[in-house]
Amino acid sequence: GDSVTQMEGPVTLSEEAFLTINCTYTATGYPSLFWYVQYPGEGLQLLLKATKADDKGSNKGFEATYRKETTSFHLEKGSVQVSDSAVYFCAPFVLTGGGNKLTFGTGTQLKVEL
Amino acid sequence: KAGVTQTPRYLIKTRGQQVTLSCSPISGHRSVSWYQQTPGQGLQFLFEYFSETQRNKGNFPGRFSGRQFSNSRSEMNVSTLELGDSALYLCASSLYRADTQYFGPGTRLTVL
Repeated sequence: GDSVTQMEGPVTLSEEAFLTINCTYTATGYPSLFWYVQYPGEGLQLLLKATKADDKGSNKGFEATYRKETTSFHLEKGSVQVSDSAVYFCAPFVLTGGGNKLTFGTGTQLKVEL
Repeated sequence: KAGVTQTPRYLIKTRGQQVTLSCSPISGHRSVSWYQQTPGQGLQFLFEYFSETQRNKGNFPGRFSGRQFSNSRSEMNVSTLELGDSALYLCASSLYRADTQYFGPGTRLTVL
């Protein structure tokens, strides 16, 4: 079945540090790829997406590139802020004849300190 | 445009009871999906509804059911609640089935 592997958290960084959160997936067909972010006590917010190979999704300084050959969609940010502290979820979206769904990784908690 | 709304935001129930959660999608969105989030199992897919029909169902027992109305609003029902049903239930809507899903704030269900 479809699955996602994300790096274990928590990831603790100092403000202005470089961030990488690794994500690899297995999925049938040709999924679209998403990163969602969850702040404490809230639902999921769409962070960025990519729909085909070599596409780069970007938003709020975060970037991720759809790497079909390595089935990866690593999240990066050049300079993190305290306000980026949250849990980040990688999720391929698979379209199948039986229905469509997002498959989520375990999430990676990011803590940014001053 | 208003986002996805879910009611109630918090619920406390006891074992054996049943519960109904409601989701109103973004205006114009026709597809609604439900997910369960727990510390142990993470985020798991429950159902997908489109045009008042269930299109996909996750690996959950029959105690979990749902429906979608003609205005695209959706409800999910859990009967005979168990302690393990305590979770954050998230609803997501999309313009059509293959489109980006936008999530609501969730309903936190506690089963005592």
